[in-house]
Amino acid sequence: AQSVTQLGSHVSVSEGALVLLRCNYSSSVPPYLFWYVQYPNQGLQLLLKYTTGATLVKGINGFEAEFKKSETSFHLTKPSAHMSDAAEYFCAVSTLYTGKLIFGQGTTLQVKP
Amino acid sequence: KAGVTQTPRYLIKTRGQQVTLSCSPISGHRSVSWYQQTPGQGLQFLFEYFSETQRNKGNFPGRFSGRQFSNSRSEMNVSTLELGDSALYLCASRAESSYNEQFFGPGTRLTVL
Repeated sequence: AQSVTQLGSHVSVSEGALVLLRCNYSSSVPPYLFWYVQYPNQGLQLLLKYTTGATLVKGINGFEAEFKKSETSFHLTKPSAHMSDAAEYFCAVSTLYTGKLIFGQGTTLQVKP
Repeated sequence: KAGVTQTPRYLIKTRGQQVTLSCSPISGHRSVSWYQQTPGQGLQFLFEYFSETQRNKGNFPGRFSGRQFSNSRSEMNVSTLELGDSALYLCASRAESSYNEQFFGPGTRLTVL
């Protein structure tokens, strides 16, 4: 079975500061890992994904994440926060053997001017 | 390509009624999944359909059902609505060989009074 834990339900940063959203996963088989963003009253938009290959993945809007198997982590980072980054972020895990995504509880990112 | 579309966007029903939600996937995507999003339980997988067959099912009561048509469009039905069914229902589609990368629609906001 797979599971995802996102550390911190709310994260607040100043505009221009580093964004770090934490995600740890559990999976008995090689995982596929995803970060999604959700703006109010909208669906989920894929930021980036890790499936195989390079462990540092770059996504849209300047976000990137690194898959660390030894730490079972897939933390999301962005060097400099923008006001427009304020949203809810979800980490998700899946595998080759199942088509479903298992989501973490989400982290709300607040960006202060 | 047009994205995933869901209709209606908003619904208000009363307890005991039933409701049908519709989802049109991205052209060429044959897999459609449904998720329920609530503040308390987060994002939970309902079921996945592929080629008109249910391939995966989450842990929801039998009041939740779905189907998929030959054009890959999908519907989900909830019978005998309860207050706790109030949620955002998200549909996602994916290409078969996509490492489970799922594209989400804007959702249907269901309110049960």
